[in-house]
Amino acid sequence: NAGVMQNPRHLVRRRGQEARLRCSPMKGHSHVYWYRQLPEEGLKFMVYLQKENIIDESGMPKERFSAEFPKEGPSILRIQQVVRGDSAAYFCASSGQREAEQYFGPGTRLTVT
Amino acid sequence: KNEVEQSPQNLTAQEGEFITINCSYSVGISALHWLQQHPGGGIVSLFMLSSGKKKHGRLIATINIQEKHSSLHITASHPRDSAVYICAVRSPRGGADGLTFGKGTHLIIQP
Repeated sequence: NAGVMQNPRHLVRRRGQEARLRCSPMKGHSHVYWYRQLPEEGLKFMVYLQKENIIDESGMPKERFSAEFPKEGPSILRIQQVVRGDSAAYFCASSGQREAEQYFGPGTRLTVT
Repeated sequence: KNEVEQSPQNLTAQEGEFITINCSYSVGISALHWLQQHPGGGIVSLFMLSSGKKKHGRLIATINIQEKHSSLHITASHPRDSAVYICAVRSPRGGADGLTFGKGTHLIIQP
């Protein structure tokens, strides 16, 4: 009865590299949300996906960030050409229905050197 | 856009004390969440409320929709309750899908 899983838990990238963060929702959940927590700041919504569809990406930076949730496999948050300002904790959450309770994963802590 | 305010920002109390954390928001919502985050740790969902009151163990959450206000109470507080408590709201149907978060209340319970 696994909860939401994220990997890696910690990721170090040099400036200019790509970061791929993975999120496996709880069993039976098809709705995934990505949130970012910058150091000393609150959590901010990034993107909401259902299987194979991006529903709301109003919180995603316009450049370098993308997300997908394929028919098979985990949801992926991809950050191209990372910069130091991307260093943060990235959390995903999943739910069974669009307005149901969200369950959070342990987060991926990205450090850009 | 919903503004979510929490108070207090920081709270230090002695073991056994009754704790209250407050959350107010500016625009109507469909649901309010209380979350717990330990330092460097993940986020645990404590409650999701749309009306009234919920209780789980030593935790109680209430919401007043008319006043746009919610409280989280901890009875018989314990050092293991030390964490950041975060209030988050969800827009009504047809609004934004993601949660809007308060900045959190840093709670320390001293033995």
